Amino acid sequence: GNSVTQMEGPVTLSEEAFLTINCTYTATGYPSLFWYVQYPGEGLQLLLKATKADDKGSNKGFEATYRKETTSFHLEKGSVQVSDSAVYFCALSLDTGGFKTIFGAGTRLFVKA
Amino acid sequence: DGGITQSPKYLFRKEGQNVTLSCEQNLNHDAMYWYRQDPGQGLRLIYYSQIVNDFQKGDIAEGYSVSREKKESFPLTVTSAQKNPTAFYLCASKPPRGGSNQPQHFGDGTRLSIL
Repeated sequence: GNSVTQMEGPVTLSEEAFLTINCTYTATGYPSLFWYVQYPGEGLQLLLKATKADDKGSNKGFEATYRKETTSFHLEKGSVQVSDSAVYFCALSLDTGGFKTIFGAGTRLFVKA
Repeated sequence: DGGITQSPKYLFRKEGQNVTLSCEQNLNHDAMYWYRQDPGQGLRLIYYSQIVNDFQKGDIAEGYSVSREKKESFPLTVTSAQKNPTAFYLCASKPPRGGSNQPQHFGDGTRLSIL
């Protein structure tokens, strides 16, 4: 079936460190891929997306590249800030099945000053 | 500004009670979704609706019910049959005709607790 696997957290980094959160997926067909971010007590917000192979999504210094050959969509940021502390969800969406979105379990990021 | 409004933000339920969580959107989206989020876990789909007067069960529909009488509204009822209702509930919607490449838009959630 369709699924998303992302690295377990929490991930703890110092300010200005490099961030990678790994995400791999299993899907029949050609999914669109997303990263969402959730701040404490809030809903999810779209961070970035990529809709076809080799597309790179980017926003607020975060980037992720849709790698079909490795079925991956790893999230990266060159220099994290304390304000980046949140939970990050990798997700995929397919045109079948009512346009449902399948989410990974989430990775909590703590950034220390 | 357009968005999704969930109310209340915090809700308490006594054993044996049904409670209804509100979700309203003014984004003109056709599709709406309800998710449950437990601590340290991802989102699990409860129900979804692609159009008014139609909805489908998600992965964990037991103990929940929904209605979709208006495009803007998709209320979720947590019934007494749901044995472990304490969780954070998120409502989402999706633009029409956008297909899989459109993201979901989320409300700020309702936290339900059992007294």
